[in-house]
Amino acid sequence: NAGVTQTPKFRILKIGQSMTLQCTQDMNHNYMYWYRQDPGMGLKLIYYSVGAGITDKGEVPNGYNVSRSTTEDFPLRLELAAPSQTSVYFCASSPPTGRNEPQHFGDGTRLSIL
Amino acid sequence: KQEVTQIPAALSVPEGENLVLNCSFTDSAIYNLQWFRQDPGKGLTSLLLIQSSQREQTSGRLNASLDKSSGRSTLYIAASQPGDSATYLCAVRPNRSNDYKLSFGAGTTVTVRA
Repeated sequence: NAGVTQTPKFRILKIGQSMTLQCTQDMNHNYMYWYRQDPGMGLKLIYYSVGAGITDKGEVPNGYNVSRSTTEDFPLRLELAAPSQTSVYFCASSPPTGRNEPQHFGDGTRLSIL
Repeated sequence: KQEVTQIPAALSVPEGENLVLNCSFTDSAIYNLQWFRQDPGKGLTSLLLIQSSQREQTSGRLNASLDKSSGRSTLYIAASQPGDSATYLCAVRPNRSNDYKLSFGAGTTVTVRA
């Protein structure tokens, strides 16, 4: 059971470039999340989804877009990369069976914008 | 807005000593509190989840307590080992229906010296 898989693991972008961070889970979880983690800071929620076709903004959504066409996949898109988006990005998922289920995390994508 | 604070930011102890990690939160209307472990370059792994109605939760050498009214949780790790070296994060889920978003602390980085 792979759990939550994120690709790529590392990426360097130039200012103004675009890219998509991929996230897929094989646990049939309805709920999926994207977080960013900056040095010395806690994780901040970017976007989340409660099921295929449904997405909503989190705490820091500006500069990002998401889509959820299937239960398994929840890609995060950066349209015009900016240095402020240099961070470590984590995808997570959780089942809908109850709010006392912990979230399961991927290993992260380390993104640098130069 | 929920604010989660973890003090100290870093901790270094000799092997065998007990670890005490603190987490405080400003809004006591929580549904649950979770403790996560993060190893360098990795994602988060859930260690313990305490429901708002519980006072503590135990798993092996780990014990987490919750005092919701005072907005505090403590993670105890007994007889620390070098393998316990990691960053420990706490996160709270709000007590609102259909709200699965977590608010994270910045973490405490623990080093256990052999």
